[in-house]
Amino acid sequence: EIVMTQSPATLSVSPGERATLSCRASQSVSSTLAWYQQKPGQAPRVLIYDVSTRATGIPARFSGSGSGTEFTLTISSLQSEDFAVYYCQQYNKWPQTFGQGTKVEIK
Amino acid sequence: EVQLVESGGGLVQPGGSLRLSCAASGFAVSNVYMSWVRQAPGKGLEWVSVIYSGGNTHYADSAKGRFTISRDNSKNTVFLQMNTLRAEDTAVYYCARGSSAWYDYWGQGTLVTVYS
Repeated sequence: EIVMTQSPATLSVSPGERATLSCRASQSVSSTLAWYQQKPGQAPRVLIYDVSTRATGIPARFSGSGSGTEFTLTISSLQSEDFAVYYCQQYNKWPQTFGQGTKVEIK
Repeated sequence: EVQLVESGGGLVQPGGSLRLSCAASGFAVSNVYMSWVRQAPGKGLEWVSVIYSGGNTHYADSAKGRFTISRDNSKNTVFLQMNTLRAEDTAVYYCARGSSAWYDYWGQGTLVTVYS
């Protein structure tokens, strides 16, 4: 099973600042990586798929990059609605696996 | 509009069974692959099972031999039959629609609590 490791576990950011979240795979997942946002009491919502393609309706302040084993989600200027938990997911091999999440909180 | 509505969760004792349902609207479950993904209280996401458009299925090791995914095309519904439940199966169970291999739509989830 491919293990996905996210860092940091918690990221404290002020509104308007840039947030950079990392995701590392235990082996190469090529470009088969997605990012999800989850708010308390809600289901996850896809933000990015195939490393860098924004899903429908996702603002341009969200961007993804990376390849192989190292990936990054960047939120260019945090808005109040962006404070949430973010998960990466690899879909290169079964079982699909998720990272443990990064909580983005208000500084 | 695409919608997924889960039901069937509840309280069950260890060793018991539950059948979860995921009623879909706005698309045909027979044309896509559908997964169940769970989230234990305060924890991250764990993929559980998938059923492909062709009917093939796949399970996480934690679910193999105990859980069965199926669908009823006439009801446009996907099911997860869970047997021999354990305390560690306690979680919110989400159904999710696969788009290529990531998930573009998720249900609101149904809570399964296994208690003794």
